[in-house]
Amino acid sequence: NAGVTQTPKFRVLKTGQSMTLLCAQDMNHEYMYWYRQDPGMGLRLIHYSVGEGTTAKGEVPDGYNVSRLKKQNFLLGLESAAPSQTSVYFCASRDRVDTQYFGPGTRLTVL
Amino acid sequence: GENVEQHPSTLSVQEGDSAVIKCTYSDSASNYFPWYKQELGKGPQLIIDIRSNVGEKKDQRIAVTLNKTAKHFSLHITETQPEDSAVYFCAASPYTTSGTYKYIFGTGTRLKVLA
Repeated sequence: NAGVTQTPKFRVLKTGQSMTLLCAQDMNHEYMYWYRQDPGMGLRLIHYSVGEGTTAKGEVPDGYNVSRLKKQNFLLGLESAAPSQTSVYFCASRDRVDTQYFGPGTRLTVL
Repeated sequence: GENVEQHPSTLSVQEGDSAVIKCTYSDSASNYFPWYKQELGKGPQLIIDIRSNVGEKKDQRIAVTLNKTAKHFSLHITETQPEDSAVYFCAASPYTTSGTYKYIFGTGTRLKVLA
């Protein structure tokens, strides 16, 4: 039981490049979330999913897209990266009693 | 909009002393209040949570209290140890009839336990 895993762990992009962050969970959870963490700002919700095939916008969705084609995977895409998207990205899943389980994070730098 | 304020942003205590972190939420529909501990280079991990129908919950050296009237909840760590040093986040989750569970996080408290 690996819990929530994220790939890659680190990435450096140039402005305008695209990339996809992968989140996988093996706990059969319906809900999955993508957050970004910036210094002094806590965790801010980017997008979330309430089940396979569904996605919804969170607090800071601009510049990101997501897909949930399989229940265990939640992908976060950056189509045209900007320096403002330099951050640490965390994926989480939620069980039936509200507990969120977080992945180890992806540190992204956009030059 | 929904907001969670967390204080203090940094806290230094001597080993063995107690630490208290406080949060205030704005959405009166919030009914679930988790606390997370984040160690350097890792993702947040749930350490304790409380629901709106309970005023206090304890788990060994950690306790959480909730004052629904004042919209305050607090984390209490007693007999602090060096391994308690980390960043702590509070969060609030409002109940929604649509079943969309979201979490509003505080900005975090960096706790340093001095040996």
